[in-house]
Amino acid sequence: SAVISQKPSRDICQRGTSLTIQCQVDSQVTMMFWYRQQPGQSLTLIATANQGSEATYESGFVIDKFPISRPNLTFSTLTVSNMSPEDSSIYLCSVVPNTGELFFGEGSRLTVL
Amino acid sequence: EDQVTQSPEALRLQEGESSSLNCSYTVSGLRGLFWYRQDPGKGPEFLFTLYSAGEEKEKERLKATLTKKESFLHITAPKPEDSATYLCAVLDYGQNFVFGPGTRLSVLP
Repeated sequence: SAVISQKPSRDICQRGTSLTIQCQVDSQVTMMFWYRQQPGQSLTLIATANQGSEATYESGFVIDKFPISRPNLTFSTLTVSNMSPEDSSIYLCSVVPNTGELFFGEGSRLTVL
Repeated sequence: EDQVTQSPEALRLQEGESSSLNCSYTVSGLRGLFWYRQDPGKGPEFLFTLYSAGEEKEKERLKATLTKKESFLHITAPKPEDSATYLCAVLDYGQNFVFGPGTRLSVLP
């Protein structure tokens, strides 16, 4: 398994501002993913962040809006830029350790006013 | 395109009343099927992985089974603390995880 810590756990932000979410893993992992979960919805993959390469974004998500950093095998950040109320969601960091399962952090609940 | 559906959307049980949740999937090539539990405001908690038809896994009051088209999560004699949303996901050979919409389970004392 993997222990994943996310910061912040929740935040309330003003429209037009940006917020960076941090994800720290207790072991080295190659594959790291960022998901969004809008209220009452299931999980939607934003991007895959592998160390040493550019993040790969899913359809509907762009780097200018959701820039991602992956400086090493245990850490990543996701920035939500120029936020609007539609960005209010839970943002989840997840990893696939050697066991092959997908493990999630506790999530970062973002509310945009 | 891979698809995962779950039924029912919501389920309300009395404590001790056993039932099953369904996860139906279509996938180009199944590498694994995963069940998660999610409490409100928290990240999904990993429960089980199933890899091939006929496989079964158990954990406390939960038992997951897999066929070529669907998976069931059986809950035996549930307790109020089993109340949560249960998510199903498939992993295909392209390393893509696809999640279902979830089943919201409420267990009443």
